[in-house]
Amino acid sequence: DTGVSQDPRHKITKRGQNVTFRCDPISEHNRLYWYRQTLGQGPEFLTYFQNEAQLEKSRLLSDRFSAERPKGSFSTLEIQRTEQGDSAMYLCASSWGGATNEKLFFGSGTQLSVL
Amino acid sequence: DAKTTQPPSMDCAEGRAANLPCNHSTISGNEYVYWYRQIHSQGPQYIIHGLKNNETNEMASLIITEDRKSSTLILPHATLRDTAVYYCIVRVQGGSEKLVFGKGTKLTVNP
Repeated sequence: DTGVSQDPRHKITKRGQNVTFRCDPISEHNRLYWYRQTLGQGPEFLTYFQNEAQLEKSRLLSDRFSAERPKGSFSTLEIQRTEQGDSAMYLCASSWGGATNEKLFFGSGTQLSVL
Repeated sequence: DAKTTQPPSMDCAEGRAANLPCNHSTISGNEYVYWYRQIHSQGPQYIIHGLKNNETNEMASLIITEDRKSSTLILPHATLRDTAVYYCIVRVQGGSEKLVFGKGTKLTVNP
């Protein structure tokens, strides 16, 4: 299965620590999205890349959050100085952007718990 | 904000058709209706999308009203594995607009 892969699946950290998540998209996809989801809510958009360019960032993405997609392949999402409010599922998705039938393919997410 | 309205929850008996409604009264002429679903502990999964004609694939059927202000996702023979949260989303096709999720409808398929 060459779907979207996210690592780790679960992360427990203490408040104030930095964490980094990785997403490996479907290889031929040029767009990569990050979403965040809390219990009982739908996924909230954070940011997206087209190839290596970060084209949009949500106002939810504070200065403590940074995302990269070097060489337009995998992506990392880093959260610095974590807070308890950062506890959530972080979802990555990829797609062939601009296609007439663009579909997003999601990974299984990284569940972050900040203690 | 999400541009769609869905009931928070629905129940369906196994083997029966599940009909999930969605209101999108402010939809623009170039916006498509997308449906995704999210099974517990997994990422959302694409189901189907359409512009104005009814669509069918191996997973479901999508019925869009003539005025395009509402739609219905139909799972013809629901199984227990169809228990999930179903999201209805409107989006411009082929553009840079991201998917905006609402809270969706929690469908429970009962044995």
